[in-house]
Amino acid sequence: TQLLEQSPQFLSIQEGENLTVYCNSSSVFSSLQWYRQEPGEGPVLLVTVVTGGEVKKLKRLTFQFGDARKDSSLHITAAQPGDTGLYLCAGAPTGAGSYQLTFGKGTKLSVIP
Amino acid sequence: DTGVSQNPRHKITKRGQNVTFRCDPISEHNRLYWYRQTLGQGPEFLTYFQNEAQLEKSRLLSDRFSAERPKGSFSTLEIQRTEQGDSAMYLCASSIEAGVYGYTFGSGTRLTVV
Repeated sequence: TQLLEQSPQFLSIQEGENLTVYCNSSSVFSSLQWYRQEPGEGPVLLVTVVTGGEVKKLKRLTFQFGDARKDSSLHITAAQPGDTGLYLCAGAPTGAGSYQLTFGKGTKLSVIP
Repeated sequence: DTGVSQNPRHKITKRGQNVTFRCDPISEHNRLYWYRQTLGQGPEFLTYFQNEAQLEKSRLLSDRFSAERPKGSFSTLEIQRTEQGDSAMYLCASSIEAGVYGYTFGSGTRLTVV
């Protein structure tokens, strides 16, 4: 069974601060995806990283995939109240025959104005 | 296209009753997934369709759960003889590729079994 551990579970910061969220596993994934979920809604895809060592930037968000394709990080620069939400990482399995994503439990971020 | 649509958004049912949820995926997406999310957890995989074929089912999908996708369009998820432990958010997602590049999720159906 593939597991993804996210840390921290909860994060409360002041507007303008920087933060990093981590997603770790002992398993190798073909890709890692990051989603943001608001209460009562479904997750919304932010980014997919596929290549080991890959770095992607989305405005103030920077995503990195580990060289061994087992871990990932999300860095937010100058956080804003609109960044508040649950950040989920999800791994896609390697090999054929399975299509299920494995999700972490998420990091709940609160950005205080 | 307005994305993945799920109905109803909320469902309250008594224990032992049957419930059915509907998902309408993005029209050009031939892959459809059902996930379940409980409080404080990430979504857990339930089942996967490619067109009308159900290609993968999780062990979480007990014999009280059944999913269909007739004609490869919309999908339904039925839970028979509901139990309190079935209370959760049921999420539907669709994609063009087999999940590697990410899903588009619907807003979910929140089921409460009383």
